[in-house]
Amino acid sequence: DVKVTQSSRYLVKRTGEKVFLECVQDMDHENMFWYRQDPGLGLRLIYFSYDVKMKEKGDIPEGYSVSREKKERFSLILESASTNQTSMYLCASSLTWDEQYFGPGTRLTVT
Amino acid sequence: AQRVTQPEKLLSVFKGAPVELKCNYSYSGSPELFWYVQYSRQRLQLLLRHISRESIKGFTADLNKGETSFHLKKPFAQEEDSAMYYCALKGSNYKLTFGKGTLLTVNP
Repeated sequence: DVKVTQSSRYLVKRTGEKVFLECVQDMDHENMFWYRQDPGLGLRLIYFSYDVKMKEKGDIPEGYSVSREKKERFSLILESASTNQTSMYLCASSLTWDEQYFGPGTRLTVT
Repeated sequence: AQRVTQPEKLLSVFKGAPVELKCNYSYSGSPELFWYVQYSRQRLQLLLRHISRESIKGFTADLNKGETSFHLKKPFAQEEDSAMYYCALKGSNYKLTFGKGTLLTVNP
């Protein structure tokens, strides 16, 4: 059974803070993804990674960066959090470019 | 560019009634389409993919290339079908593009 875990379910940060969101998968998947989920906007891809140290921008990368130093871990970084980054963040992983397995999500509030 | 449109934000039906969640896509190549579902307080998960042509939890979806649609259907809705449904398209760049979602409510 694939397990994708995210470091926090809820997070409250102040404007300007540096924020780290961590995602870990235990199935040796090559591909990992970060999305944000907003009501009325659906899921939008921020960044994805197809291998250790490899990353590609998604549709809305501005204001975010990522890190993948180990295969099982994919981190999303908000260098200087802003209120418009308040959202639900979903991590996912996949073995092939087919079914993606999602984490439970981190609800980030930036005040 | 690839795009997925789910025209209904909200859909409400009564238990036992047929349900159809609409999905239209825009893509110049040969698409792969998926339906993902998120039940209340659960994580997003794959419901079905068009290439397997299977029925999952009574749901089916047929890819209609002429109408560029991939509507999700179930003949008799159940209360446990209440959830958020997302249609997704995988293009040649392997990324999934999701629609904005349809919140289905099945009333008793």
